[in-house]
Order: sequence, then C-alpha cells, then structure tokens
Amino acid sequence: DAMVIQNPRYQVTQFGKPVTLSCSQTLNHNVMYWYQQKSSQAPKLLFHYYDKDFNNEADTPDNFQSRRPNTSFCFLDIRSPGLGDTAMYLCATSKRGVRKDEQYFGPGTRLTVT
Amino acid sequence: GQQLNQSPQSMFIQEGEDVSMNCTSSSIFNTWLWYKQEPGEGPVLLIALYKAGELTSNGRLTAQFGITRKDSFLNISASIPSDVGIYFCAGQGWGAQKLVFGQGTRLTINP
Repeated sequence: DAMVIQNPRYQVTQFGKPVTLSCSQTLNHNVMYWYQQKSSQAPKLLFHYYDKDFNNEADTPDNFQSRRPNTSFCFLDIRSPGLGDTAMYLCATSKRGVRKDEQYFGPGTRLTVT
Repeated sequence: GQQLNQSPQSMFIQEGEDVSMNCTSSSIFNTWLWYKQEPGEGPVLLIALYKAGELTSNGRLTAQFGITRKDSFLNISASIPSDVGIYFCAGQGWGAQKLVFGQGTRLTINP
C-alpha cells in the first residue's frame, strides 16, 4: 500500500545534541511537509518542499532545517535541540496541481529532549 | 491570519450516541478536511470536501461544506468505542499552500 513512513517512531536525545528525523513516501507526491505537534494542540507547520523548492514558515526557529534529496525522502534536522523541542513531529505529503490537494500524514516521530 | 474555531473542545458521550462537531472560519475556504488522530499516531484523513454545500459520508461519518464557505460540520452516528480520539478540521484557501487547523475536538466514549 502507498504510504508515508517515518523513522524512528521514538527518539530520545540530549539537550544540544543534533538529531535527524526521516520521512519517506511511496505516494509519488510532489509536496512534503514537516509539522510539530505538542500535547493536546493542533499540528504546527514548520516548512514544506514543493518539489525542490523549500518554503519556510516565518516563525520556524533557525534551529530547524530540512533536506529533500529526492522525491521520496525528506529529513528534519534539529541542530541543537532544547527541552522545548520535545514534541511529536509529523511528516505529510500532498499532490499539488490536482483539484484534490489532500494532505496525508505519517505516524509521527515522538521526540524527547532530556 | 486565517483562524478556525472548532467546537466543542471535548465531548463525553455514551456508546451509541450521535456526535456533532463543527468548525467556523473568519475567511473563505475552498477545501475542508476532517482528520482523526489517536494517541501516539498521525492524523488520518476521514473526509475531504471541495464544494460549497457538499455533503459527504464515510460509513457512520458525515461531513458538510457550509454554503458560506466559512464553516463545516462532522457528524458521527451510533458511536462505538473505537471512535475515541481527537478530531481536527482543517481548511485551505484557494491557491494557499498550507492548511489551517482547528484546535481539535477530543471525543471520549463511555461504554
């Protein structure tokens, strides 16, 4: 089945220690998104790639970076995680350019910064 | 910026009851999406709406795109224990590149 896969599902890192989260998709979608979701809140968009074009949200901290080496993969790099970065990180994809621009989410990576 | 008000924030119901939740927007949307999220998982798309007045069902779930384009509702009939979770509405304006999410409705069901 076509899907959005995130690895790892759980990640514990120390304060200040860089961490990379990965997302892959078999949907052949041209847009990939990264969201941060804190407890009992709605997902908050960090940035997205439309093909190779990177679109950063204005309030996304510089500490958060992303890479999309090909259509199928996208990475979230947190250069120096702080305690406040403990959250669920969600990857989503969509196929822009068609009428039905629906976003499909992966299962998420729960990140804990200690 | 665009905002979505989703209500109620939480619901505590008995198994078998019907559920209704809604979202209202300060501006017009061209797409309304309804997601369900279970603990520790990502949101799962339940229903997508693209046309004002559109009424769409997915099993026991029914959602409608409001005529004004500024609201949408989701109904669940004859609730069962596996309906427990947080339901999010999300809207997208014409040509917009991102979704605007509601605050979520947490559904709890007493068996």
